[in-house]
Amino acid sequence: GNSVTQMEGPVTLSEEAFLTINCTYTATGYPSLFWYVQYPGEGLQLLLKATKADDKGSNKGFEATYRKETTSFHLEKGSVQVSDSAVYFCALRISSGSARQLTFGSGTQLTVLP
Amino acid sequence: DTAVSQTPKYLVTQMGNDKSIKCEQNLGHDTMYWYKQDSKKFLKIMFSYNNKELIINETVPNRFSPKSPDKAHLNLHINSLELGDSAVYFCASSQATYTGELFFGEGSRLTVL
Repeated sequence: GNSVTQMEGPVTLSEEAFLTINCTYTATGYPSLFWYVQYPGEGLQLLLKATKADDKGSNKGFEATYRKETTSFHLEKGSVQVSDSAVYFCALRISSGSARQLTFGSGTQLTVLP
Repeated sequence: DTAVSQTPKYLVTQMGNDKSIKCEQNLGHDTMYWYKQDSKKFLKIMFSYNNKELIINETVPNRFSPKSPDKAHLNLHINSLELGDSAVYFCASSQATYTGELFFGEGSRLTVL
């Protein structure tokens, strides 16, 4: 089946530190990959996406590259801010078959300290 | 204008009661969803409707019954509430079915005592 594995949190960083949140996937077929962010007390928002191998998604200083050879889509940011404190979800969607709905990872809690 | 709005935001009730959560989207999307988020933040899809037609019905107890009166609304009714139903329930919508780009509401936190 299809699944997403994220690094376990919580992750605590100081402001301006470099961020990596690991995400690997298992999928039948060729998935599209997504990162969603959930700020405290809010619903999820799409952060970035990549639809094919070697695509790089980017938004708000965050980046993730679709690596087919390692089945990974790690999220990175060069310099985090306190306002980046949130839960980050990696997700995939396959384009054919009976299980085409979005499948989420378990989420990684990020706390950025001033 | 809130794109996807859910009511109520908080719900506290006793075991055995029946409760409903309402969702409305003003994005003109055709597809709507209900997700359940447990205390560990794990998200699981429950239902999806496309233009009022049920298209995804995951393994959910039949105490949960979704209803879509029109494509802008998707409500969730829960009968005979149990302790394990305590969670945050998110409504979402998307332009098309089986897309990865969903727009989520702020969630409805249900606490069953």
